[in-house]
Amino acid sequence: GQQVMQIPQYQHVQEGEDFTTYCNSSTTLSNIQWYKQRPGGHPVFLIQLVKSGEVKKQKRLTFQFGEAKKNSSLHITATQTTDVGTYFCAGPGNNAGNMLTFGGGTRLMVKP
Amino acid sequence: DAGVTQSPTHLIKTRGQQVTLRCSPKSGHDTVSWYQQALGQGPQFIFQYYEEEERQRGNFPDRFSGHQFPNYSSELNVNALLLGDSALYLCASSLGGGRTSPLHFGNGTRLTVT
Repeated sequence: GQQVMQIPQYQHVQEGEDFTTYCNSSTTLSNIQWYKQRPGGHPVFLIQLVKSGEVKKQKRLTFQFGEAKKNSSLHITATQTTDVGTYFCAGPGNNAGNMLTFGGGTRLMVKP
Repeated sequence: DAGVTQSPTHLIKTRGQQVTLRCSPKSGHDTVSWYQQALGQGPQFIFQYYEEEERQRGNFPDRFSGHQFPNYSSELNVNALLLGDSALYLCASSLGGGRTSPLHFGNGTRLTVT
């Protein structure tokens, strides 16, 4: 079945440093979604990418969808303590419907 | 505008027991999906309900069953609980069951099986 892998699993950064998490799918995706889960919280939708090579920005966050639509990345510029949490990418399954296969997530820790 | 609500927030059960978790979707949403999230892992898809029917199912045994009511709320039932069923159970609602609909998650139910 479809697999979605994320690296790294964990990342410690000093506040102000940049951070990047990478997502790879075993199959071509029609779209990819990114979610953030704060410690003790629930996943919150950040963004969806649909087009090959698409780049979207949300303030300090930059999301990219690969040309082959099998990989994606999230880059955070100048991290802040409010960025702490686990970032998940998720892609739709091969069947109809809205089933999402989530990656294992990258847990970001920011030292003030 | 109420978001996704789940109850209870925490639950402790013994092996072999049965449990029912409840979810009310975000206002205006008609599709409910259930996910299991073990500690330190990503959410794993259990099943999805749309128009009161199970539309899709993940790789979970028949001990996991569900229901969707006419008002779009949903229940997740787990029979014959195992220690490995201990996890955060997340309900997510969306609109139309389409492939591009973002999921809105509830706060989850933390289930502990002893």
